Amino acid sequence: GAVVSQHPSRVICKSGTSVKIECRSLDFQATTMFWYRQFPKQSLMLMATSNEGSKATYEQGVEKDKFLINHASLTLSTLTVTSAHPEDSSFYICSARVAGGPDTQYFGPGTRLTVL
Amino acid sequence: TQLLEQSPQFLSIQEGENLTVYCNSSSVFSSLQWYRQEPGEGPVLLVTVVTGGEVKKLKRLTFQFGDARKDSSLHITAAQPGDTGLYLCAGASGANNLFFGTGTRLTVIP
Repeated sequence: GAVVSQHPSRVICKSGTSVKIECRSLDFQATTMFWYRQFPKQSLMLMATSNEGSKATYEQGVEKDKFLINHASLTLSTLTVTSAHPEDSSFYICSARVAGGPDTQYFGPGTRLTVL
Repeated sequence: TQLLEQSPQFLSIQEGENLTVYCNSSSVFSSLQWYRQEPGEGPVLLVTVVTGGEVKKLKRLTFQFGDARKDSSLHITAAQPGDTGLYLCAGASGANNLFFGTGTRLTVIP
């Protein structure tokens, strides 16, 4: 099956620092990756769509200068939370679609970010 | 925004009981996926349904896509403690996006 990894799985940082989260498709190429945010006991909220070789498309209300997305290759997308604050603490999950494949998205295991 | 409402939101049942989770929307989707998510992990794909009226079975789980492709249901027969988790439906519309349902948190008590 299609496997997506995320790194790190957990990160704790001080307020004001930046944190980078990596999302990799391990056994397939993904022209499109997605970044979601999930608060405790809630469903997933799409933050942005990451397209290989072009700018990400952000959902309404998501600050593109705060959540920097880079999709430099067909197997890697990164999300950088800049100048993190405690309210940015959340579970961040990426997903990837198989290039040229159906709508199905395969999800990474998530990254738990805690900002002190 | 295309809203997918799931019901019930929470469900706690005894081992061996049957249950049904519903996923409803006023929008039409090209396909619909069901995921299960455990605490601290990403969602795991259970099934994708594409055709209106389609029924798919995965061991004790039965998934149905509504004829109009606006709704779906997940039926679990003889629930086991290992079925405990957050069940999410997600509808696909357009080129890329998945719209996630509100989620159903299932607890199966041994």
